[in-house]
Amino acid sequence: GIQVEQSPPDLILQEGANSTLRCNFSDSVNNLQWFHQNPWGQLINLFYIPSGTKQNGRLSATTVATERYSLLYISSSQTTDSGVYFCAARNAGGTSYGKLTFGQGTILTVHP
Amino acid sequence: KAGVTQTPRYLIKTRGQQVTLSCSPISGHRSVSWYQQTPGQGLQFLFEYFSETQRNKGNFPGRFSGRQFSNSRSEMNVSTLELGDSALYLCASSLAGIMSGNTIYFGEGSWLTVV
Repeated sequence: GIQVEQSPPDLILQEGANSTLRCNFSDSVNNLQWFHQNPWGQLINLFYIPSGTKQNGRLSATTVATERYSLLYISSSQTTDSGVYFCAARNAGGTSYGKLTFGQGTILTVHP
Repeated sequence: KAGVTQTPRYLIKTRGQQVTLSCSPISGHRSVSWYQQTPGQGLQFLFEYFSETQRNKGNFPGRFSGRQFSNSRSEMNVSTLELGDSALYLCASSLAGIMSGNTIYFGEGSWLTVV
């Protein structure tokens, strides 16, 4: 199956700094999502981005499908951005709409 | 509209018992999938249901099973619980239609502790 790798595994920032999280995937995808897991465990959708670029406030994401990677940018980080960020992808082949393969996550800590 | 709803949120079970977790997808969504999250293994796919049929299954033993009802609500069952089954169980739903965009939405999860 598809492999998803995220880097870095841990990231520590001062408030106001910018950061880039990377997600590499091993096969062509038709679903690539970024999630933020809150302290209560819920995965919050950040972006659905199998290709192209999207922006939402201080967050933006870019997926270069032909090179099999995606980037999540966080600008002017805030303490509330702390948590675990996951990238998840689904193979372009097959019929399952629900099967995502997750990376191991990036633990982001933003200090005041 | 209401999001994905999972019940119960927290539960403690004893080894050897069984447990049933419930998931109500977003209204109109026909695909429901389940994931297990543990510190050691991360997030792993359990199975996915669409229109009451299991379409895909992850690499879990037969003790893990599930089903989907005609109203798209889903349940998963774990029998003969083991300590290693302690985890956060997450349910997700999606439209699964051609024009849906395939965005998948997760519930808040069910925290299972096996003692």
